[in-house]
Amino acid sequence: DAGITQSPRHKVTETGTPVTLRCHQTENHRYMYWYRQDPGHGLRLIHYSYGVKDTDKGEVSDGYSVSRSKTEDFLLTLESATSSQTSVYFCAISGDSGGTGETQYFGPGTRLLVL
Amino acid sequence: AQTVTQSQPEMSVQEAETVTLSCTYDTSESDYYLFWYKQPPSRQMILVIRQEAYKQQNATENRFSVNFQKAAKSFSLKISDSQLGDAAMYFCARGGAGSYQLTFGKGTKLSVIP
Repeated sequence: DAGITQSPRHKVTETGTPVTLRCHQTENHRYMYWYRQDPGHGLRLIHYSYGVKDTDKGEVSDGYSVSRSKTEDFLLTLESATSSQTSVYFCAISGDSGGTGETQYFGPGTRLLVL
Repeated sequence: AQTVTQSQPEMSVQEAETVTLSCTYDTSESDYYLFWYKQPPSRQMILVIRQEAYKQQNATENRFSVNFQKAAKSFSLKISDSQLGDAAMYFCARGGAGSYQLTFGKGTKLSVIP
């Protein structure tokens, strides 16, 4: 299994509070991704990174920001959480071949509840 | 938007039997990749099988195989000799050669009946 951890694994927070989710990898892969999973929607890409300090938006990026200061860490921040951001968040990584020709491997997920 | 469609929200199969999960997709690209992921109750997303669109040969991984019909934009997953541990959500996904985004279907929930 790819060495990917996510923290926290579960979080309950209140509307309007900031939340940061962390993804940590030990594979030295260049590409990292954040997805959200909601019933009836499958997984949707929020943001991705193609290198340290290199990030870009995905399909559902509104209300989210990301940062990557080290190869191994990719942070997802909800600046002011809303109930619509209640979801399961997955981090994924892929290797140096890049793009999506390279298989993406997923972390265990973080369940976030915004009250 | 380019989409991935899984038309069977739920399916069931008897243990040791064979089941096929359907997936169709929309793309304007000639070079792309297709994946099946399994998500058991633990929520972990596990790669089952991958297919490069430029390859004619259907991918296989032990009891799992695909039927890739490029002209029809169809990518079905066949599970042979089904086991209780195969019970899970299965997601079909498409990736473009020049894109970082995987587009996922909404999933098929597979139950295995002992």
